[in-house]
Amino acid sequence: DTEVTQTPKHLVMGMTNKKSLKCEQHMGHRAMYWYKQKAKKPPELMFVYSYEKLSINESVPSRFSPECPNSSLLNLHLHALQPEDSALYLCASSQLTRVSYEQYFGPGTRLTVT
Amino acid sequence: GEDVEQSLFLSVREGDSSVINCTYTDSSSTYLYWYKQEPGAGLQLLTYIFSNMDMKQDQRLTVLLNKKDKHLSLRIADTQTGDSAIYFCAEKKGGTASKLTFGTGTRLQVTL
Repeated sequence: DTEVTQTPKHLVMGMTNKKSLKCEQHMGHRAMYWYKQKAKKPPELMFVYSYEKLSINESVPSRFSPECPNSSLLNLHLHALQPEDSALYLCASSQLTRVSYEQYFGPGTRLTVT
Repeated sequence: GEDVEQSLFLSVREGDSSVINCTYTDSSSTYLYWYKQEPGAGLQLLTYIFSNMDMKQDQRLTVLLNKKDKHLSLRIADTQTGDSAIYFCAEKKGGTASKLTFGTGTRLQVTL
């Protein structure tokens, strides 16, 4: 099983709202990732968690706040977003003990900021 | 340059072979990957190759790696309409949990 699930599938939010994206995997992977993908562009890394600790933050604005409450769950809390933050947000996970380190992606959350 | 380069578009006829090319940036990259993305969907891992290999075959997929030229290719044999998608190559730099740098993506269109 190589499934990463993400909820919700679609989200529309105003610039003053607070919302959260959720990602879950049950593959025993101890690294989890958030990517942002704009239309017709490749994914761009936002955050990496290793063993539930934040290990990489790619200079993401503080209106995006990641959280890894346990080894299976990854959240992305959103607050005071801008219209240019509208994008597909992808979660991925990988096994840290496997030397190929391949990342498995979820289906994404399509976010629209109005 | 810093970008992982791919050609933007490739059109092939059903049943023909497709070859998608990628030029990556870092000769110290240990693993290189191919992902497929269908419209509105996430990325599906197709295959990967370790940098000390020059070829890997997996059913209809063949990956060729020229480390000297930093060139990677993905050949899809007997291309089907279901193969229509965007294909991204990616290189892995750094330690265990680290970033993938994705190519610009190639849109493959399969015609009847």
